[in-house]
Amino acid sequence: EIVLTQSPGTLSLSPGERATLSCRASQSVPNSYLGWYQQKPGQAPRLLIYGASSRATGIPDRFTGSGSGTDFTLTISRLEPEDFAVYYCQQYGSSPITFGQGTRLEIK
Amino acid sequence: QVQLVQSGADMKKPGSSVKVSCKASGGTFSSNAISWVRQAPGQGLEWMGGFTPIFGTPNYAQKFKGRVTITADKSTSTMYMELSSLTSEDTAVYYCARGGATIPLGYWGQGTLVTVSS
Repeated sequence: EIVLTQSPGTLSLSPGERATLSCRASQSVPNSYLGWYQQKPGQAPRLLIYGASSRATGIPDRFTGSGSGTDFTLTISRLEPEDFAVYYCQQYGSSPITFGQGTRLEIK
Repeated sequence: QVQLVQSGADMKKPGSSVKVSCKASGGTFSSNAISWVRQAPGQGLEWMGGFTPIFGTPNYAQKFKGRVTITADKSTSTMYMELSSLTSEDTAVYYCARGGATIPLGYWGQGTLVTVSS
């Protein structure tokens, strides 16, 4: 099983700042099948990035995914008020599918 | 437009079973994988298993093997997840999502809260 470790656990930033979220895998993620999801309270998760770096339909270009192998990053270039949420990485290249424990992005 | 609509909230006694449904519209039901993901209160996301009807055999996370059964009704484009031998630890929101191994979870149902309490 591929274990995903996200850091930091909580990130406190202000609107307009840049956010950098990390996801490290215990072994290489096959084919960079790594996704990032945003979840707001009371809502289902929403796919932001798939294949490590491809934006899902309708996702603003301030969201950028990068990385390969075992190290992946989600960057939000200029935080908007609606970006404050919990972010999860997920690998879907190897069964079982696994998620990171999440990074909470909160307003400073 | 893909939509996944789940059954409503449910309350169960310890030791019983729960069956959650997920009705899909848009896309081809039989050839699309559906995964089940749960989220305990205040916790993260946990993949339980998935199924692509055209392949015939569900794939379950080891943690839930023997307790979870995923089935599909092609006539109504509905996927079901049944979890047995419930304990309070199974209290969670259960989501269905389209995707699985090699396919990202691009579409999600609204979630079904299952509460296990005596």
